[in-house]
Amino acid sequence: NAGVMQNPRHLVRRRGQEARLRCSPMKGHSHVYWYRQLPEEGLKFMVYLQKENIIDESGMPKERFSAEFPKEGPSILRIQQVVRGDSAAYFCASSPLVSGMTDTQYFGPGTRLTVL
Amino acid sequence: RKEVEQDPGPFNVPEGATVAFNCTYSNSASQSFFWYRQDCRKEPKLLMSVYSSGNEDGRFTAQLNRASQYISLLIRDSKLSDSATYLCVAFSGNTGKLIFGQGTTLQVKP
Repeated sequence: NAGVMQNPRHLVRRRGQEARLRCSPMKGHSHVYWYRQLPEEGLKFMVYLQKENIIDESGMPKERFSAEFPKEGPSILRIQQVVRGDSAAYFCASSPLVSGMTDTQYFGPGTRLTVL
Repeated sequence: RKEVEQDPGPFNVPEGATVAFNCTYSNSASQSFFWYRQDCRKEPKLLMSVYSSGNEDGRFTAQLNRASQYISLLIRDSKLSDSATYLCVAFSGNTGKLIFGQGTTLQVKP
């Protein structure tokens, strides 16, 4: 059973370009979470999605960032007009969470975004 | 104030030592707690869940004190391979959001 997959593993963009990060959850998992880890900091929650629904986006910056989890295909975290401060590791996690219950979140290897 | 706070360390200990990490949380509504391990900025991996009754997994013991909003992790007989960053994590609300502490860095020396 393949784990959570993320691609690309490393992404370099120039200021003003767009970054697209992909996450395929573990088989059988329909819940996806995105976290960001800035240099020398802890992980910060960004967004929680189920298929075709955004459940909680309280951690997403108000501008330039968006996320989706379509019916078919991976979840996408999109960053428009990137700035140097967007340089970070972006981790995706998935779970088979049933509403109202705790469950383990399994993390992907992350995408390291570098903005030049 | 951060929702989950940890001493970032680093903790430098010799092999075989016992080391304890502490963590406090501010949101009394947090439902569950975990310790994750992160190596060299790789993905976090679940080490163990934390219960009020305490739980033990080999050399690792975790404890939760809800009255004091305090979580601990004890590592006995430290190994070189225990060198990593240990993340204290609270599960928040019904959305399944994990709240991470900054992490405590452990370096075990030969």
